[in-house]
Amino acid sequence: TQLLEQSPQFLSIQEGENLTVYCNSSSVFSSLQWYRQEPGEGPVLLVTVVTGGEVKKLKRLTFQFGDARKDSSLHITAAQPGDTGLYLCAGSGEGGSNYKLTFGKGTLLTVNP
Amino acid sequence: DADVTQTPRNRITKTGKRIMLECSQTKGHDRMYWYRQDPGLGLRLIYYSFDVKDINKGEISDGYSVSRQAQAKFSLSLESAIPNQTALYFCATSDFYGYGYTFGSGTRLTVV
Repeated sequence: TQLLEQSPQFLSIQEGENLTVYCNSSSVFSSLQWYRQEPGEGPVLLVTVVTGGEVKKLKRLTFQFGDARKDSSLHITAAQPGDTGLYLCAGSGEGGSNYKLTFGKGTLLTVNP
Repeated sequence: DADVTQTPRNRITKTGKRIMLECSQTKGHDRMYWYRQDPGLGLRLIYYSFDVKDINKGEISDGYSVSRQAQAKFSLSLESAIPNQTALYFCATSDFYGYGYTFGSGTRLTVV
């Protein structure tokens, strides 16, 4: 079973601060996806990274896939209250298991005005 | 309309009752999934289906069954509900490569 460890589990910051969330595994993934989930709703895809070392930007969010494809990070610049939510990373594995995602337990981010 | 629609949104049922959760999607994807989400445990896969004739158990399938009625419809049944099946249930769909799932808004199920 491929496990994804997310850290920190909880993060509470003030508006305008920067933050980084980490997603780590001992396994290699063919792709790594990041989702944001708001209370009472399903996860919504933010980005998919598939190449080791890949960096993608989505406005104030920067996603990076590790060179060895075992880890990923999400950096948010100048966080806003609207960024509040549960951030989930999910990996699809090597060897034919691309169809099944393994999810981390998430980072619950609160951005205070 | 939402790409993935789940019904009902909320349900309270009694121990021992049979209950069905329904899911339909308009993405045109062949692959569909059922997950449950519990605090501290994250999202865990119950069942997945690659097409109408291909259904597979996930990591926590005991006590659950599924039916793929059409490409767009995938339902989850709890044959005899028990309190530890109280959770948030999500249906999702993906394309062949799985590079991004689309989730429904979820069903909050409470078994009393």
